[in-house]
Amino acid sequence: EAQVTQNPRYLITVTGKKLTVTCSQNMNHEYMSWYRQDPGLGLRQIYYSMNVEVTDKGDVPEGYKVSRKEKRNFPLILESPSPNQTSLYFCASSNGGSRAGELFFGEGSRLTVL
Amino acid sequence: AQSVAQPEDQVNVAEGNPLTVKCTYSVSGNPYLFWYVQYPNRGLQFLLKYITGDNLVKGSYGFEAEFNKSQTSFHLKKPSALVSDSALYFCAVRALSGAGSYQLTFGKGTKLSVIP
Repeated sequence: EAQVTQNPRYLITVTGKKLTVTCSQNMNHEYMSWYRQDPGLGLRQIYYSMNVEVTDKGDVPEGYKVSRKEKRNFPLILESPSPNQTSLYFCASSNGGSRAGELFFGEGSRLTVL
Repeated sequence: AQSVAQPEDQVNVAEGNPLTVKCTYSVSGNPYLFWYVQYPNRGLQFLLKYITGDNLVKGSYGFEAEFNKSQTSFHLKKPSALVSDSALYFCAVRALSGAGSYQLTFGKGTKLSVIP
């Protein structure tokens, strides 16, 4: 089954404790992206990657890091989480070309930073 | 910079009535336009897209959207609403080429409630 898998789905952590949210897709997609969803703000892009070892900032990259060492994986790293990073996070992937933009989304990771 | 506006936070419609969820966009050059739906506690699902061609695009679950270049709009429509259509709907845009062509920008979402 084609899917984007995120882990963990739910996480409560404390300020400053490094964490990683993993994302893996099994569709051989070139493009992967991270979004955060906040009430009243919709989805905002954090980082995206057009292919292995190619990443770029989205609209709200501060406080986050990413890496793309393998095509299928695109982890989101919070080096020193802060309460304003409490949010619902989505990983998404798509093919390039004419289908670009038809994103497949994971089920989301709800993060609470105390 | 590209942007999307969904002017209504919430739309209420009676079951069986037609529904419209509004979207306007701003982008340099020609746009790719998309609608996604999010059911509670789920990720977003692709509904339909416009790239070129016919201004009326048909998608999943009986939804369609009309592209209007002069009004920079891409409204989502359905002739007869179902209770199961109740969800959060997002409009999104990306540029066809150039800067921003790899960034999909979403609106803030419109909550659709279909009343039995």
